[in-house]
Amino acid sequence: DTEVTQTPKHLVMGMTNKKSLKCEQHMGHRAMYWYKQKAKKPPELMFVYSYEKLSINESVPSRFSPECPNSSLLNLHLHALQPEDSALYLCASSQLLGETQYFGPGTRLLVL
Amino acid sequence: DQQVKQNSPSLSVQEGRISILNCDYTNSMFDYFLWYKKYPAEGPTFLISISSIKDKNEDGRFTVFLNKSAKHLSLHIVPSQPGDSAVYFCAARGSWGKLQFGAGTQVVVTP
Repeated sequence: DTEVTQTPKHLVMGMTNKKSLKCEQHMGHRAMYWYKQKAKKPPELMFVYSYEKLSINESVPSRFSPECPNSSLLNLHLHALQPEDSALYLCASSQLLGETQYFGPGTRLLVL
Repeated sequence: DQQVKQNSPSLSVQEGRISILNCDYTNSMFDYFLWYKKYPAEGPTFLISISSIKDKNEDGRFTVFLNKSAKHLSLHIVPSQPGDSAVYFCAARGSWGKLQFGAGTQVVVTP
């Protein structure tokens, strides 16, 4: 089983809203990742957690705030986003940092 | 700087024939390479990988070839099927385990 789940599937939010994206895996993976993907572009890494600790922040604006409450769960808190933040947000996990990553279906975010 | 390049944005192939997707990289420190397949509005699905110590890895209809001296990677799909129509990304693992993705190749398999 290589399933990573993400909720919600779609999200529309205004620039003053606060919302959260959720990612879950039950494969016992200890590394989890957030990516952003714009249309017809490759995924861009945002954050990496390893053993529930933030390992990598790719200079992401503070309006994106990740959280890893436990080894199975990864959240991305959104606040005061801009229309250019509209994209597909992908979560991935791997057994350990650097190993093969398995992606969730993504959350399609639209910021109005 | 783009360290992983897929120079063909699209590929059209007839059902039953071979699809060959190419990927070039510039960083000789990459030690692990992966191919992902992506349907619209879905997350990438892992297909196949290869370590830099190997030159070939096969899994069913999918074979990945690695030419380290040329810094070139290719994915062969044979025979191609209509369900293979998707965008294919190659990715390379660099420092801190971070993946660098190519821009993707849109494959269309025609009947």
